[in-house]
Amino acid sequence: AQSVTQLGSHVSVSEGALVLLRCNYSSSVPPYLFWYVQYPNQGLQLLLKYTSAATLVKGINGFEAEFKKSETSFHLTKPSAHMSDAAEYFCAVSGLGSGGGADGLTFGKGTHLIIQP
Amino acid sequence: DADVTQTPRNRITKTGKRIMLECSQTKGHDRMYWYRQDPGLGLRLIYYSFDVKDINKGEISDGYSVSRQAQAKFSLSLESAIPNQTALYFCATSDPGLARFNEQFFGPGTRLTVL
Repeated sequence: AQSVTQLGSHVSVSEGALVLLRCNYSSSVPPYLFWYVQYPNQGLQLLLKYTSAATLVKGINGFEAEFKKSETSFHLTKPSAHMSDAAEYFCAVSGLGSGGGADGLTFGKGTHLIIQP
Repeated sequence: DADVTQTPRNRITKTGKRIMLECSQTKGHDRMYWYRQDPGLGLRLIYYSFDVKDINKGEISDGYSVSRQAQAKFSLSLESAIPNQTALYFCATSDPGLARFNEQFFGPGTRLTVL
């Protein structure tokens, strides 16, 4: 079975400060990892994904994440926060479940990012 | 135009009523999924379908049923709605060509309230 833990249900940073959202996973097989963002009253949009190529993954809107197998982590970072980054962020993992990897994503509980002016 | 659409976007219903949420996609993907989102719980998988004849239960299928009417349409039904089914429901699709990654594309969601 696979699982995802996001540390911190709410994270508050000042505009211009570093954003760090933490994600740890457990999986018995090499995982594929995703970060999705949900803006208020909208659906989920893919920020970036790790698919076993480069361990440092760059996504949209200046976000990036680094896959660290030894730490089973896939933390999301952005050097300088903007007010428009305020949203809910979800880490998700896909692996070899009973459906051969296509039986749905396992999501973390989400982190609400608050940007202070 | 949106690739994955959901109707209705908002729905208020009463306990015991039957309700259907609909999802349509123009992405040409075979695989479709229904999730529910609850505050503080993230998204949880209800049902998924690999094609019209292949329906599978997810983590929380009790109280729900689905119908895959065509490759492009996947409906979720609540036969007798109860208040704890109040949630935000998402439909998603994935491309079988990228099956091993299972990247999914989400609709805008349906906010369901059961009184």
